[in-house]
Amino acid sequence: NAGVTQTPKFRVLKTGQSMTLLCAQDMNHEYMYWYRQDPGMGLRLIHYSVGEGTTAKGEVPDGYNVSRLKKQNFLLGLESAAPSQTSVYFCASRMMTDTQYFGPGTRLTVL
Amino acid sequence: GDSVTQMEGPVTLSEEAFLTINCTYTATGYPSLFWYVQYPGEGLQLLLKATKADDKGSNKGFEATYRKETTSFHLEKGSVQVSDSAVYFCALVQGYSTLTFGKGTMLLVSP
Repeated sequence: NAGVTQTPKFRVLKTGQSMTLLCAQDMNHEYMYWYRQDPGMGLRLIHYSVGEGTTAKGEVPDGYNVSRLKKQNFLLGLESAAPSQTSVYFCASRMMTDTQYFGPGTRLTVL
Repeated sequence: GDSVTQMEGPVTLSEEAFLTINCTYTATGYPSLFWYVQYPGEGLQLLLKATKADDKGSNKGFEATYRKETTSFHLEKGSVQVSDSAVYFCALVQGYSTLTFGKGTMLLVSP
């Protein structure tokens, strides 16, 4: 039981490049989330999903897109990366009202 | 909307000192309350939780009591260790909504 996994762990992009972050969970959770964490800002919700095939915007969705084609996977895409998207990205999942579990994070630097 | 307010850090203590990290919340209903811990370079892990008023959550020597009358969920530990150095996040959730996090409090414990 791996819990929540994220790939890649680290990535460096140039401004304007695109990339996709993958989150996978093996706990059969319905809800999945993408957060970004910046110094002094705590955790901010980017997008979330309440089930396969559904997505919704969080607090800071601009510049990001997501997809939930399979229940166990939640992808976060950056179509044209900007330096302001330099951050640590965390994925999380939970089952209805139960505890939320977090992945180990992806550290992204945009030059 | 719902909100969580935590004391600002860093909190600096010597080993074996008593720890309190304050957390208060604003919510219209009856939320579940959580404390998460983030060790350097890692994702967030659930430390403890309480799902109704007067419940006490406890884990690894940490405790927090859900106080509805004061809308608080303060984290305490009787004797901290160097290994407790981390960032602590208070959070709440109501029903099927997304978690609301505080901004986090950094704890630094010196030998």
